[in-house]
Amino acid sequence: ETGVTQTPRHLVMGMTNKKSLKCEQHLGHNAMYWYKQSAKKPLELMFVYSLEERVENNSVPSRFSPECPNSSHLFLHLHTLQPEDSALYLCASSQDRRGRAEQYFGPGTRLTVT
Amino acid sequence: KNQVEQSPQSLIILEGKNCTLQCNYTVSPFSNLRWYKQDTGRGPVSLTIMTFSENTKSNGRYTATLDADTKQSSLHITASQLSDSASYICVVSGDAGNMLTFGGGTRLMVKP
Repeated sequence: ETGVTQTPRHLVMGMTNKKSLKCEQHLGHNAMYWYKQSAKKPLELMFVYSLEERVENNSVPSRFSPECPNSSHLFLHLHTLQPEDSALYLCASSQDRRGRAEQYFGPGTRLTVT
Repeated sequence: KNQVEQSPQSLIILEGKNCTLQCNYTVSPFSNLRWYKQDTGRGPVSLTIMTFSENTKSNGRYTATLDADTKQSSLHITASQLSDSASYICVVSGDAGNMLTFGGGTRLMVKP
């Protein structure tokens, strides 16, 4: 295991539902990330948190709302999603935001929007 | 625009055979290049990382090469095993502060 856990592993939700994805890292890292992985597309960076402060938001729709209450936990709150939001959502952490710092990924949450 | 292109998109080989996966990038300035292995339904796991000055690095049966002049990297898998079936992702970092640029991955299937 990489030291990054995600729950739930699978989630099916309707377009009017509200749900949250949870990520926890046990590595003492200072940076955490949310990625979206759609079929046959490269990983897309969604949000970056460094020392609990959001430092990057890659033009993600407002129906995705991140929250980082402390350096070990990261949430992704979901509401009024669209079917095209169905994907694997990966959380990662790294010691810091420098490019050389290796990112450790969680197992992902497979999200299906019906 | 920073890009990472991988080939082939998918590959099927027989158990015990060798294979080579390719990665071409246009990320500049260059900091480092990583190869990740992603099993189905799991997150990516790092195999190797190489900086500008390194042109080869091994991790067991995995050997990565880097040609910073031509901006190409390869991942060679020796004596493939069924457990090597996965997606292999090439990831390039632009500089100390840049985020990563991901390739689309090569899906490898090893058959008995």
